[in-house]
Amino acid sequence: QQQVKQSPQSLIVQKGGISIINCAYENTAFDYFPWYQQFPGKGPALLIAIRPDVSEKKEGRFTISFNKSAKQFSLHIMDSQPGDSATYFCAASKSFGNEKLTFGTGTRLTIIP
Amino acid sequence: GAVVSQHPSRVICKSGTSVKIECRSLDFQATTMFWYRQFPKQSLMLMATSNEGSKATYEQGVEKDKFLINHASLTLSTLTVTSAHPEDSSFYICSARWGRIYNEQFFGPGTRLTVL
Repeated sequence: QQQVKQSPQSLIVQKGGISIINCAYENTAFDYFPWYQQFPGKGPALLIAIRPDVSEKKEGRFTISFNKSAKQFSLHIMDSQPGDSATYFCAASKSFGNEKLTFGTGTRLTIIP
Repeated sequence: GAVVSQHPSRVICKSGTSVKIECRSLDFQATTMFWYRQFPKQSLMLMATSNEGSKATYEQGVEKDKFLINHASLTLSTLTVTSAHPEDSSFYICSARWGRIYNEQFFGPGTRLTVL
């Protein structure tokens, strides 16, 4: 019940296109869903996060869509740029207390010119 | 804001020696810090949860005597890999919980440990 399934494992998108990464969770107690971006040799950086009281959150070119009934959430990167090439991890946890994050397996995104 | 640092960024040591990695929250107080291990092209594997002033909680399968964690202050947690062996070579990353309400965690830049 603690798993977070992430797909695809890798993704190649043309510059200017939309990159979409999907995650599904099982634990209905989860109510905090962040996305992290990680470049090679660096620590993950918090990109954007959402709670179930909204179905969508947008920050610049990054949008999280959330479907509570399906227990799914996704990251959309609009106007994808070569600098977005990185590994993206979704995660989930309870929002209160010192809860650990349950991470997805990661998606390696490559933006080609 | 919400900056987490780690030191050292890279360490090479001989088999059998101990290595200490520091994790600091620079501009906020973190009552909880987390230690992760990451193998190449894999996800983050949580090793332990560190609460200020109390013993760390280790994940199943993580040897607490090998990976000593100390969270002595609200801004500093340390991970000591004792009697390191080549199989301990990995990328170690800490995170600090920042959100007072939501579980926002900010990660350090990571420490690359190579044991010869």
